[in-house]
Amino acid sequence: DGGITQSPKYLFRKEGQNVTLSCEQNLNHDAMYWYRQDPGQGLRLIYYSQIVNDFQKGDIAEGYSVSREKKESFPLTVTSAQKNPTAFYLCASSIGVTNEKLFFGSGTQLSVL
Amino acid sequence: DQQVKQNSPSLSVQEGRISILNCDYTNSMFDYFLWYKKYPAEGPTFLISISSIKDKNEDGRFTVFLNKSAKHLSLHIVPSQPGDSAVYFCAAESNFGNEKLTFGTGTRLTIIP
Repeated sequence: DGGITQSPKYLFRKEGQNVTLSCEQNLNHDAMYWYRQDPGQGLRLIYYSQIVNDFQKGDIAEGYSVSREKKESFPLTVTSAQKNPTAFYLCASSIGVTNEKLFFGSGTQLSVL
Repeated sequence: DQQVKQNSPSLSVQEGRISILNCDYTNSMFDYFLWYKKYPAEGPTFLISISSIKDKNEDGRFTVFLNKSAKHLSLHIVPSQPGDSAVYFCAAESNFGNEKLTFGTGTRLTIIP
């Protein structure tokens, strides 16, 4: 059953701590994305990757880092430099990057302790 | 600067009637538009899309209309069903200008039985 799996569903971060959100897809999609959703706001793009070993910053990349060592995996690290990390994080993938609909995971809610 | 705007944060419609969700955009480079539907604590799912070469696209109960001169698109759902209660996001992208998918802030649709 193809899809995108995000884990964990809920995550808590302490001050000064880095946390990593997992995203795995078995759709054989080339492109993967990380979005952040805050209450009352749309989805904002953090990072995206069009191909393995390559990724680009989105609109709000500061305080985040990513890697794309495998086609199936696109983990997001929320670093201690991200001062307002509490949000709902969504991973997505698409076949390509032009006029392609995105397939989203079920999201990770990150909260600060 | 919000390039994609959904000015109605919420909308309530009687079951069986038509639901009309609106979206405005400011970037004239946008040439592909999508609607996504999102339930709480889940990722958005693709609903319907339209290219700027068309002014209407229909899929079952869902129709999207595009008015390029007004930079406005709308999603019509008819007849509305209780399962349509969700948050709806419109999104836009530009292939010519290499603008990545930009989302609106969402409209929460509630269908009243």
